[in-house]
Amino acid sequence: EIVLTQSPGTLSLSPGERATFSCRTSQSVRSNYLAWYQQKPGQAPRLLIYGASSRATGIPDRFSGSGSGTDFTLTISRLEPEDIAVYYCQQYGTSPKTFGQGTKVEIK
Amino acid sequence: EVQLLESGGALVQPGGSLRLSCVGSGFTFSSNALSWVRQAPGKGLEWVSYIVGSGSYTDYADSVKGRFTISRDNSKNTLYLQLNSLRAEDTALYYCAKYQYNTFYSYMHVWGKGTTVTVSS
Repeated sequence: EIVLTQSPGTLSLSPGERATFSCRTSQSVRSNYLAWYQQKPGQAPRLLIYGASSRATGIPDRFSGSGSGTDFTLTISRLEPEDIAVYYCQQYGTSPKTFGQGTKVEIK
Repeated sequence: EVQLLESGGALVQPGGSLRLSCVGSGFTFSSNALSWVRQAPGKGLEWVSYIVGSGSYTDYADSVKGRFTISRDNSKNTLYLQLNSLRAEDTALYYCAKYQYNTFYSYMHVWGKGTTVTVSS
């Protein structure tokens, strides 16, 4: 099983600041089959990024993904108050399709 | 609009069984792979199971293998998850999710709102 480790556990930032989330995997992710999801309180997850760097339909361009192999990053270029959520990475190239433990974003 | 609506969650005793359902609308149901993903109270997401559009291929997390069975009835646009030999650690909100493509190497782009399973005596 591929283990995904996300850091930091919690990110506390002010509106307008840049947010950077890390996702490291225990093995190389096949063909960079890595996705990022946003989960707001009381809501279902929402797909943000797939294929490590492709934005899903309707996702603002302040969200971007990068990385390859075992090291991936999600960046929010300018944090908005509505970005308060938990962010999860998931690899979908190998069974089981494992998730990271999540990074929580708080607004200062 | 693509929608997924889960149902069937309940309070059940340890060792008991339950069947969850997920009805899809707004898309060609039989052409899409689907999964169940769960989230224990206050915890992260856990991928549970996967089924291809035809139902001919399924996959499971080790934590549920041999106890849970995923299936689908494409004539009813419905996905199922049969939960047997339930344990306290199966307590969670269970989401149904649709893949963008009908292949294992795809991502979940539409999610339902979930149905709650509580395992307790």
